[in-house]
Amino acid sequence: GDSVTQMEGPVTLSEEAFLTINCTYTATGYPSLFWYVQYPGEGLQLLLKATKADDKGSNKGFEATYRKETTSFHLEKGSVQVSDSAVYFCALSARAGGTSYGKLTFGQGTILTVHP
Amino acid sequence: DTEVTQTPKHLVMGMTNKKSLKCEQHMGHRAMYWYKQKAKKPPELMFVYSYEKLSINESVPSRFSPECPNSSLLNLHLHALQPEDSALYLCASSHSGSSTDTQYFGPGTRLTVL
Repeated sequence: GDSVTQMEGPVTLSEEAFLTINCTYTATGYPSLFWYVQYPGEGLQLLLKATKADDKGSNKGFEATYRKETTSFHLEKGSVQVSDSAVYFCALSARAGGTSYGKLTFGQGTILTVHP
Repeated sequence: DTEVTQTPKHLVMGMTNKKSLKCEQHMGHRAMYWYKQKAKKPPELMFVYSYEKLSINESVPSRFSPECPNSSLLNLHLHALQPEDSALYLCASSHSGSSTDTQYFGPGTRLTVL
């Protein structure tokens, strides 16, 4: 079945450091890929998405490129802020078996803490 | 506006109680979802409604009963729950339920079963 593997955390960085969170996936067909962020006590917010190979999603300084050849969708940010501290989930959306409906499959999540 | 609202924010219930969670969206989306998220884990899909019809049930126990009264509302009726059902319950919506759609999540209801 479909699966998403994220780099294990937690990740602790100083403010203005470079961030990479690795994400690889296994899926049949051509899934859409997403990064969601969850702040403490809140629901998930879409950070960025890409729906086909070589697409680059970007938002709020975060970027990720859909790499079909390496089945990866790594999240990067050039300079993190304290306010970026949260849990980051990589996810893929593919058709749920035998249906035309999309089903999100999430990675385990990466806890990011940024210190001043 | 990409807002999905959920009520209540917190719920504490006993194993013999009956309660309901409510979710609402006004984005004109025709697909709505229930997810369950245990602490320090990713969300897990429970149900998908598309055009007000139940499209996917991920083998969820019958003590959870979803209902979609109209395209803007989604309820989750709870009865005879177990302590292990304590979790954050997240609602989401998307344009039509296609695999390329973005799912927009609400803030969740934190449920505690005593």
